Amino acid sequence: AQSVSQHNHHVILSEAASLELGCNYSYGGTVNLFWYVQYPGQHLQLLLKYFSGDPLVKGIKGFEAEFIKSKFSFNLRKPSVQWSDTAEYFCAVNARLYGNNRLAFGKGNQVVVIP
Amino acid sequence: DVKVTQSSRYLVKRTGEKVFLECVQDMDHENMFWYRQDPGLGLRLIYFSYDVKMKEKGDIPEGYSVSREKKERFSLILESASTNQTSMYLCASSQAGTGGTGELFFGEGSRLTVL
Repeated sequence: AQSVSQHNHHVILSEAASLELGCNYSYGGTVNLFWYVQYPGQHLQLLLKYFSGDPLVKGIKGFEAEFIKSKFSFNLRKPSVQWSDTAEYFCAVNARLYGNNRLAFGKGNQVVVIP
Repeated sequence: DVKVTQSSRYLVKRTGEKVFLECVQDMDHENMFWYRQDPGLGLRLIYFSYDVKMKEKGDIPEGYSVSREKKERFSLILESASTNQTSMYLCASSQAGTGGTGELFFGEGSRLTVL
């Protein structure tokens, strides 16, 4: 079965600080990778995704993520956070082998940015 | 713009009541999903459906059932609500087949409180 690990469930940082959220998955085959974000009171929305090609992908609002196949990781980064980045962030993985487009989610990172 | 609509944003029910949560998507997606979201536990899959009248159990199906009579509509049913089913319920849809990547589109969620 697929599993997705996100560490440091609660992250508190000041504006302009850099953010990195780790994501590791257990499946060894071909994968599609996603980061979703949930702002306070809003629905989950896609932040960025990786299917193939350049392992460094850029998403909305200045976020980027790097797929490192050898480490089974897809870490999310932002060089300089803003107060508006306060949200919960979820990593998700889909293994193409299964063909059913079912995603496995990590437990999320609650990020609080202090002005 | 793609849209997944959940009929109720907030519900308060009593223990033992039957609860219906409705979800409609306008993207002609084959796949539909019901998750529950709890603090520290992330998103856990309750049930999903790949086609009309088809359903499969997710990771936590106990105490729930689903119905998919039409492609665009996926209902979650709590036959006899219990206090441990107090949670945020999220509906999602995705495209299936070779065009599917696993990317999920979420509704705004239904927050259920069982007293």
